[in-house]
Amino acid sequence: DAMVIQNPRYQVTQFGKPVTLSCSQTLNHNVMYWYQQKSSQAPKLLFHYYDKDFNNEADTPDNFQSRRPNTSFCFLDIRSPGLGDAAMYLCATSRFSGRGGTDTQYFGPGTRLTVL
Amino acid sequence: AQKVTQAQTEISVVEKEDVTLDCVYETRDTTYYLFWYKQPPSGELVFLIRRNSFDEQNEISGRYSWNFQKSTSSFNFTITASQVVDSAVYFCALTPISGNKLVFGAGTILRVKS
Repeated sequence: DAMVIQNPRYQVTQFGKPVTLSCSQTLNHNVMYWYQQKSSQAPKLLFHYYDKDFNNEADTPDNFQSRRPNTSFCFLDIRSPGLGDAAMYLCATSRFSGRGGTDTQYFGPGTRLTVL
Repeated sequence: AQKVTQAQTEISVVEKEDVTLDCVYETRDTTYYLFWYKQPPSGELVFLIRRNSFDEQNEISGRYSWNFQKSTSSFNFTITASQVVDSAVYFCALTPISGNKLVFGAGTILRVKS
């Protein structure tokens, strides 16, 4: 089945120690998104890639970076995690068809990040 | 600006009861999509339905049904004969058809007790 895969499902890191979360997809979608979701809140968009074009949200801290080496993979790098960065990180994909707009976003299972 | 309001923070029902989750939205766009997602305790956001602003026809899928009323800017979700497996957080969301940014409501926690 076509899907969105996130690894690892659970990640523990130390305060200030860089961490990378990964997302891959077999849907061949041209748009990939990273969301941060804290407890009892809605997901918050950090940034997205439309093909290779990176689109950062205005309020996303510089501590968060992303890479998309190819269509299938996208990475979230947290350069110096703080206690406030502990959250669920969700990756999503969709197909953007220009005039037709964006199709439904499909989400991966998420990576739950703990910062000690 | 766009906004999605889910006024019900938490709902508890007993199994087999029907339950309706409310969603009210605001947008200046004339064309948009509305969505419902389910987030079970495992954390994955599961897509349930997408509705085009052109299409106000209600939809039924098994025990799930959706009532879209443009006149009241509402897109309510009803679960008939609820089951314990329906326990989850449900999010309503909106995006302009020409855009790609989902605006989420705050979510409604549904607890179905056996």
